[in-house]
Amino acid sequence: KAGVTQTPRYLIKTRGQQVTLSCSPISGHRSVSWYQQTPGQGLQFLFEYFSETQRNKGNFPGRFSGRQFSNSRSEMNVSTLELGDSALYLCASTIYSPGYGYTFGSGTRLTVV
Amino acid sequence: QQQVKQSPQSLIVQKGGISIINCAYENTAFDYFPWYQQFPGKGPALLIAIRPDVSEKKEGRFTISFNKSAKQFSLHIMDSQPGDSATYFCAASIGSGGSNYKLTFGKGTLLTVNP
Repeated sequence: KAGVTQTPRYLIKTRGQQVTLSCSPISGHRSVSWYQQTPGQGLQFLFEYFSETQRNKGNFPGRFSGRQFSNSRSEMNVSTLELGDSALYLCASTIYSPGYGYTFGSGTRLTVV
Repeated sequence: QQQVKQSPQSLIVQKGGISIINCAYENTAFDYFPWYQQFPGKGPALLIAIRPDVSEKKEGRFTISFNKSAKQFSLHIMDSQPGDSATYFCAASIGSGGSNYKLTFGKGTLLTVNP
Protein backbone atom coordinates (compact mmCIF):
# COMPACT_ATOMS: atom_id res chain seq x y z
CA LYS A 1 0.00 0.00 0.00
CA ALA A 2 1.56 3.30 -1.07
CA GLY A 3 2.15 5.90 1.62
CA VAL A 4 1.59 9.62 1.53
CA THR A 5 3.48 11.03 -1.45
CA GLN A 6 4.77 14.58 -1.47
CA THR A 7 6.34 16.31 -4.44
CA PRO A 8 8.80 17.76 -4.95
CA ARG A 9 11.14 16.60 -2.18
CA TYR A 10 13.32 19.70 -2.39
CA LEU A 11 12.76 23.23 -3.63
CA ILE A 12 14.87 26.34 -3.72
CA LYS A 13 13.03 29.59 -4.35
CA THR A 14 13.86 33.27 -4.25
CA ARG A 15 12.21 35.79 -1.94
CA GLY A 16 9.05 37.18 -3.47
CA GLN A 17 8.33 34.14 -5.59
CA GLN A 18 5.45 31.77 -5.03
CA VAL A 19 5.49 28.01 -4.66
CA THR A 20 3.04 25.13 -4.94
CA LEU A 21 3.54 21.87 -3.10
CA SER A 22 1.64 18.68 -3.84
CA CYS A 23 0.40 15.83 -1.67
CA SER A 24 -1.20 12.52 -2.65
CA PRO A 25 -2.77 10.84 0.37
CA ILE A 26 -3.04 7.13 1.01
CA SER A 27 -5.78 5.64 -1.13
CA GLY A 28 -9.10 5.91 0.68
CA HIS A 29 -7.96 8.67 3.03
CA ARG A 30 -10.16 11.71 2.65
CA SER A 31 -8.68 13.94 5.34
CA VAL A 32 -5.47 15.74 4.42
CA SER A 33 -3.54 18.07 6.70
CA TRP A 34 -0.47 20.23 6.22
CA TYR A 35 2.18 21.08 8.82
CA GLN A 36 5.23 23.31 8.80
CA GLN A 37 8.32 22.03 10.62
CA THR A 38 11.15 24.34 11.62
CA PRO A 39 13.93 23.93 14.22
CA GLY A 40 12.66 26.90 16.20
CA GLN A 41 8.89 26.46 16.11
CA GLY A 42 8.65 22.70 15.72
CA LEU A 43 5.61 21.22 14.02
CA GLN A 44 2.86 23.73 13.40
CA PHE A 45 -0.55 23.08 11.89
CA LEU A 46 -1.33 24.88 8.64
CA PHE A 47 -4.73 23.56 7.51
CA GLU A 48 -6.91 20.49 7.15
CA TYR A 49 -9.17 19.44 4.30
CA PHE A 50 -11.89 16.86 4.04
CA SER A 51 -13.93 16.25 0.89
CA GLU A 52 -12.57 19.43 -0.70
CA THR A 53 -13.58 21.58 2.29
CA GLN A 54 -11.17 23.35 4.59
CA ARG A 55 -12.28 22.52 8.11
CA ASN A 56 -9.56 24.25 10.10
CA LYS A 57 -6.74 26.68 9.52
CA GLY A 58 -3.73 27.39 11.67
CA ASN A 59 -2.30 30.72 12.67
CA PHE A 60 -0.46 31.54 9.46
CA PRO A 61 -0.73 34.62 7.22
CA GLY A 62 -2.98 34.64 4.20
CA ARG A 63 0.03 34.01 1.96
CA PHE A 64 -0.42 30.36 2.88
CA SER A 65 -3.33 28.70 1.13
CA GLY A 66 -4.38 25.25 0.12
CA ARG A 67 -6.97 23.23 -1.64
CA GLN A 68 -8.13 19.66 -2.04
CA PHE A 69 -9.34 18.01 -5.19
CA SER A 70 -12.14 15.51 -5.68
CA ASN A 71 -9.63 12.63 -5.68
CA SER A 72 -8.41 13.81 -2.22
CA ARG A 73 -5.08 15.04 -3.57
CA SER A 74 -4.09 18.34 -2.04
CA GLU A 75 -1.90 21.29 -2.86
CA MET A 76 -0.62 24.12 -0.74
CA ASN A 77 0.56 27.43 -2.08
CA VAL A 78 2.77 30.06 -0.53
CA SER A 79 2.87 33.43 -2.24
CA THR A 80 5.40 36.22 -1.84
CA LEU A 81 7.94 33.96 -0.20
CA GLU A 82 9.94 35.21 2.77
CA LEU A 83 13.20 33.86 4.16
CA GLY A 84 11.30 32.68 7.23
CA ASP A 85 9.19 30.37 5.09
CA SER A 86 12.17 28.05 4.74
CA ALA A 87 10.99 24.84 6.36
CA LEU A 88 10.01 21.23 5.91
CA TYR A 89 6.38 21.11 4.81
CA LEU A 90 4.64 17.90 5.79
CA CYS A 91 1.40 16.47 4.54
CA ALA A 92 -0.55 13.92 6.55
CA SER A 93 -3.64 11.89 5.76
CA THR A 94 -6.06 9.79 7.75
CA ILE A 95 -9.01 7.58 7.05
CA TYR A 96 -10.57 8.66 10.30
CA SER A 97 -12.64 11.70 10.99
CA PRO A 98 -11.99 13.55 13.12
CA GLY A 99 -8.25 13.45 13.00
CA TYR A 100 -6.91 10.19 14.46
CA GLY A 101 -4.13 8.03 13.11
CA TYR A 102 -2.39 10.47 10.81
CA THR A 103 0.20 9.09 8.39
CA PHE A 104 2.79 11.63 7.33
CA GLY A 105 4.68 11.93 4.08
CA SER A 106 8.43 12.58 3.95
CA GLY A 107 7.84 16.24 3.31
CA THR A 108 9.02 18.94 0.94
CA ARG A 109 12.11 20.82 2.01
CA LEU A 110 11.65 24.44 0.93
CA THR A 111 14.60 26.80 1.02
CA VAL A 112 14.00 30.48 0.34
CA VAL A 113 17.09 32.49 -0.64
CA GLN B 1 0.72 29.64 23.96
CA GLN B 2 2.33 26.24 24.00
CA GLN B 3 -0.43 23.77 24.75
CA VAL B 4 1.80 20.68 24.88
CA LYS B 5 5.11 20.93 26.73
CA GLN B 6 7.69 18.22 26.15
CA SER B 7 10.85 17.40 28.08
CA PRO B 8 13.73 16.83 27.92
CA GLN B 9 14.89 18.47 24.69
CA SER B 10 17.59 15.85 24.33
CA LEU B 11 18.35 12.54 25.96
CA ILE B 12 21.34 10.22 25.86
CA VAL B 13 20.84 6.63 26.96
CA GLN B 14 23.06 3.58 26.93
CA LYS B 15 22.03 0.53 24.93
CA GLY B 16 19.70 -1.60 27.00
CA GLY B 17 18.62 1.30 29.20
CA ILE B 18 15.20 2.90 29.63
CA SER B 19 14.38 6.12 27.80
CA ILE B 20 11.69 8.31 29.35
CA ILE B 21 10.15 11.34 27.65
CA ASN B 22 7.51 13.45 29.34
CA CYS B 23 4.72 15.68 28.11
CA ALA B 24 2.21 17.94 29.82
CA TYR B 25 -0.88 19.46 28.29
CA GLU B 26 -3.16 22.31 29.20
CA ASN B 27 -6.35 21.81 27.25
CA THR B 28 -8.62 19.34 29.04
CA ALA B 29 -10.59 18.87 25.82
CA PHE B 30 -7.72 16.84 24.36
CA ASP B 31 -8.73 13.20 24.15
CA TYR B 32 -6.18 11.57 21.87
CA PHE B 33 -2.46 11.48 22.65
CA PRO B 34 -0.12 9.97 20.04
CA TRP B 35 3.64 9.72 19.99
CA TYR B 36 5.55 10.10 16.76
CA GLN B 37 9.08 9.03 15.85
CA GLN B 38 11.03 10.93 13.22
CA PHE B 39 14.29 9.96 11.57
CA PRO B 40 16.38 12.50 9.62
CA GLY B 41 14.98 13.11 6.16
CA LYS B 42 11.70 11.40 6.96
CA GLY B 43 8.28 12.49 8.13
CA PRO B 44 7.02 11.64 11.62
CA ALA B 45 5.75 8.07 11.97
CA LEU B 46 3.01 7.13 14.43
CA LEU B 47 4.52 5.01 17.18
CA ILE B 48 1.80 4.51 19.75
CA ALA B 49 -1.27 6.41 20.96
CA ILE B 50 -3.52 6.50 24.00
CA ARG B 51 -6.92 7.85 24.99
CA PRO B 52 -7.60 9.24 28.49
CA ASP B 53 -9.84 6.36 29.53
CA VAL B 54 -6.78 4.14 30.11
CA SER B 55 -3.71 4.82 32.27
CA GLU B 56 -1.20 2.76 30.33
CA LYS B 57 -0.74 1.22 26.90
CA LYS B 58 2.09 -1.05 25.87
CA GLU B 59 3.22 -2.06 22.41
CA GLY B 60 6.41 -4.08 22.37
CA ARG B 61 9.19 -2.07 23.98
CA PHE B 62 7.13 1.14 23.93
CA THR B 63 4.77 2.13 26.75
CA ILE B 64 2.64 5.22 27.24
CA SER B 65 1.73 6.17 30.80
CA PHE B 66 -1.14 8.62 31.18
CA ASN B 67 -2.09 10.68 34.25
CA LYS B 68 -5.34 12.50 33.55
CA SER B 69 -5.49 14.39 36.86
CA ALA B 70 -1.97 15.75 36.40
CA LYS B 71 -2.54 16.33 32.66
CA GLN B 72 0.68 14.50 31.90
CA PHE B 73 1.70 11.57 29.75
CA SER B 74 5.01 9.93 29.06
CA LEU B 75 6.72 7.54 26.68
CA HIS B 76 8.92 4.77 28.05
CA ILE B 77 11.25 2.89 25.71
CA MET B 78 12.49 -0.28 27.34
CA ASP B 79 15.75 -1.97 26.32
CA SER B 80 16.68 1.05 24.20
CA GLN B 81 18.61 0.24 21.02
CA PRO B 82 20.86 2.37 18.78
CA GLY B 83 18.18 2.04 16.09
CA ASP B 84 15.81 3.94 18.40
CA SER B 85 17.96 7.05 18.00
CA ALA B 86 15.55 9.58 16.53
CA THR B 87 13.46 12.61 17.44
CA TYR B 88 10.28 11.83 19.36
CA PHE B 89 7.24 14.06 19.41
CA CYS B 90 4.24 13.89 21.67
CA ALA B 91 0.99 15.32 20.39
CA ALA B 92 -2.62 15.83 21.34
CA SER B 93 -5.88 16.37 19.54
CA ILE B 94 -9.57 16.78 20.19
CA GLY B 95 -11.71 14.01 18.82
CA SER B 96 -15.12 13.12 20.06
CA GLY B 97 -17.47 15.86 21.09
CA GLY B 98 -16.17 18.44 18.68
CA SER B 99 -12.96 18.26 16.77
CA ASN B 100 -10.49 20.90 15.72
CA TYR B 101 -9.07 18.44 13.16
CA LYS B 102 -5.45 19.03 14.08
CA LEU B 103 -2.59 17.67 16.10
CA THR B 104 -0.85 19.96 18.59
CA PHE B 105 2.75 18.86 18.94
CA GLY B 106 5.37 19.13 21.63
CA LYS B 107 8.74 20.58 20.63
CA GLY B 108 10.39 17.18 20.33
CA THR B 109 13.09 15.16 22.10
CA LEU B 110 16.26 14.09 20.36
CA LEU B 111 17.09 10.62 21.66
CA THR B 112 20.57 9.19 21.23
CA VAL B 113 21.19 5.60 22.24
CA ASN B 114 24.87 4.82 22.59
CA PRO B 115 26.05 1.30 21.71
